[in-house]
Amino acid sequence: EVQLIESGGGLVQPKGSLKLSCAASGFDFNGYAMSWVRQAPGKGLEWVASISIKTQNYATLHVDSVKERFIISRDDSQSMVYLHMNKLKTEDTALYYCTVSATGAFPYWGQGTLVTVSS
Amino acid sequence: DVVMTQTPVSLSVSLGNQASISCRSSQSLLHDDGNTYLSWYLQKPGQSPQLLIYLASNRFSGVSNRFSGSGSGTDFTLKISRLESEDLGVYYCFQHTHLPLTFGSGTKLEIK
Repeated sequence: EVQLIESGGGLVQPKGSLKLSCAASGFDFNGYAMSWVRQAPGKGLEWVASISIKTQNYATLHVDSVKERFIISRDDSQSMVYLHMNKLKTEDTALYYCTVSATGAFPYWGQGTLVTVSS
Repeated sequence: DVVMTQTPVSLSVSLGNQASISCRSSQSLLHDDGNTYLSWYLQKPGQSPQLLIYLASNRFSGVSNRFSGSGSGTDFTLKISRLESEDLGVYYCFQHTHLPLTFGSGTKLEIK
């Protein structure tokens, strides 16, 4: 059974930092790209970032609104994916989902971790 | 950015009837590799989104055959036949052909 368990969310002040983690299990983690998708309270879904696999040089992609502030990374030895978030803004407040990327879709999702940016 | 326009914004359908949701993209979703990276998701109340359809018309493993996806280029449709109470929630289309990857704004399905 595929499991994605996010952690690291919480309340942070504007311009602060936070590191989200996602522990993956139940599939060949090394063989799949991974992504983060977020959902602001009462709003729709927004793709945030993706990271490819080793054979694709762990290439990363980030939506423009988080470039220069967020960095996605992964540790294949631990089956973990991370989202390092810096210079947080109030508009980054959202539930952050960890997802598996496959065939141009997100077949598996975690339950999400809530990030609240507020003073 | 590719804009994904979903219609209607909401719809109310009686149990046992069919629901249809449209998704139009501002650019063709046909990728240079020949695939059309359009997928559909259902987010039930209080839950994480779940994949229904990928590559425009392929049902994901375990998804009921009451769900079907069709379309090409810029026009796509999700149909839900023989509506059941468990189908209520918000449906999203998503494109993975162009950067940045973008979702539609969602269609809320209610049971009449």
